[in-house]
Amino acid sequence: EIQLTQSPSSLSASVGDRVTITCRASQDITNYLAWFQQRPGKAPKSLIYGASNLQSGVPSKFSGSGSGTDFTLTITSLQPEDVATYYCQQYKGYPLTFGGGTKVEI
Amino acid sequence: EVQVVESGGGLVQPGGSLRLSCVASGFTFSRFWMSWVRQAPGKGLEWVANIKEDGSERYYVDSVRGRFTISRDNAKNSLYLQMDSLRAEDAAVYYCARDFYFDPWGQGTLVTVS
Repeated sequence: EIQLTQSPSSLSASVGDRVTITCRASQDITNYLAWFQQRPGKAPKSLIYGASNLQSGVPSKFSGSGSGTDFTLTITSLQPEDVATYYCQQYKGYPLTFGGGTKVEI
Repeated sequence: EVQVVESGGGLVQPGGSLRLSCVASGFTFSRFWMSWVRQAPGKGLEWVANIKEDGSERYYVDSVRGRFTISRDNAKNSLYLQMDSLRAEDAAVYYCARDFYFDPWGQGTLVTVS
């Protein structure tokens, strides 16, 4: 099973800050990595697939990078509506797995 | 609009059964793998199962294999999850999602096992 470790597990930042979340895979997953945003009480929303491809309609303030085992989600100019838990997910192998999540607060 | 809508959740006793449904619209359902993903209260996301476009391949997380069955009806743009021998640890919001990188998600349907 491919394990994904996200860090930090939570963070507090100020409006306008740049935020970076990392996701480390236990083995090489090339670029088979996605990122999701889950606002409080809501269903998850897809942000990025293929490690760096922005889903349609997702603002360009979100960006993803990385390959192999180390990946990053960056949020520029943090806004109150970005308060959420962010998850990474790998689809290189079964079972498909998620990271433990990073809770972003302001 | 591309969307999926889940239904069928509810309260069930341990050992009982439940069948979840997901209806898709706004895209050609028969061309996509589909998944079920769950989230226990206050916990993270867990992939449960997925099924190939034509239903010929199905994969499960170990904890549900042999108890849950994923299926689809492409004529009805529908995905199903038959859940048998339910346990307390199966209690969660169950989401239907398209493709391997889960887009879009539905609003989820709550399964309570008690």
